Amino acid sequence: QQQVKQSPQSLIVQKGGISIINCAYENTAFDYFPWYQQFPGKGPALLIAIRPDVSEKKEGRFTISFNKSAKQFSLHIMDSQPGDSATYFCAPKGSGYSTLTFGKGTMLLVSP
Amino acid sequence: GAVVSQHPSWVICKSGTSVKIECRSLDFQATTMFWYRQFPKQSLMLMATSNEGSKATYEQGVEKDKFLINHASLTLSTLTVTSAHPEDSSFYICSARDPQGARGNTIYFGEGSWLTVV
Repeated sequence: QQQVKQSPQSLIVQKGGISIINCAYENTAFDYFPWYQQFPGKGPALLIAIRPDVSEKKEGRFTISFNKSAKQFSLHIMDSQPGDSATYFCAPKGSGYSTLTFGKGTMLLVSP
Repeated sequence: GAVVSQHPSWVICKSGTSVKIECRSLDFQATTMFWYRQFPKQSLMLMATSNEGSKATYEQGVEKDKFLINHASLTLSTLTVTSAHPEDSSFYICSARDPQGARGNTIYFGEGSWLTVV
């Protein structure tokens, strides 16, 4: 059973546009919802994360929207730049010392 | 700067030999480290969870005798791929949990290690 479904698998956005990546989950015990950014040949790095007590969190050009009832959260990248071209993973986890559950990833290409 | 360091960044070894990858937490003591494997254009697959001073917990389907994990200190975990074969060629990534982080959520990843078995 796939606990985390991420979409789309790949995404091409023009420079300056908005990139939107979605993540749907099954496990209602998840209480931490991060997005990781991974450049080719590098390890993933935490981009932004949200807890379920808020519906939205914004950090610069990056925003997480969280819909608890729908069990979905999304990443919005405003004013997308070529340097944002990377693979993005949602990786929710449960409370305490549980592990991250990675989605399959979204390859984002921002065209100049 | 990086708070989790992996070494080597890449390694080529002959089939049948063993290779060791190190993962160090630089600014904190990591009681728990994780080892992942990632194939090209795929997601990260958790191989095992390593707790300092105790045996690692392996995920289903991961051969513990092939992928030896040692977490002998609070800042160092090692993954040894024994009797490596070409199908073990992959990108191996470690991560470490900062116990001082918020509610166990602060997890840092290393830069990864490319293993090529020829």
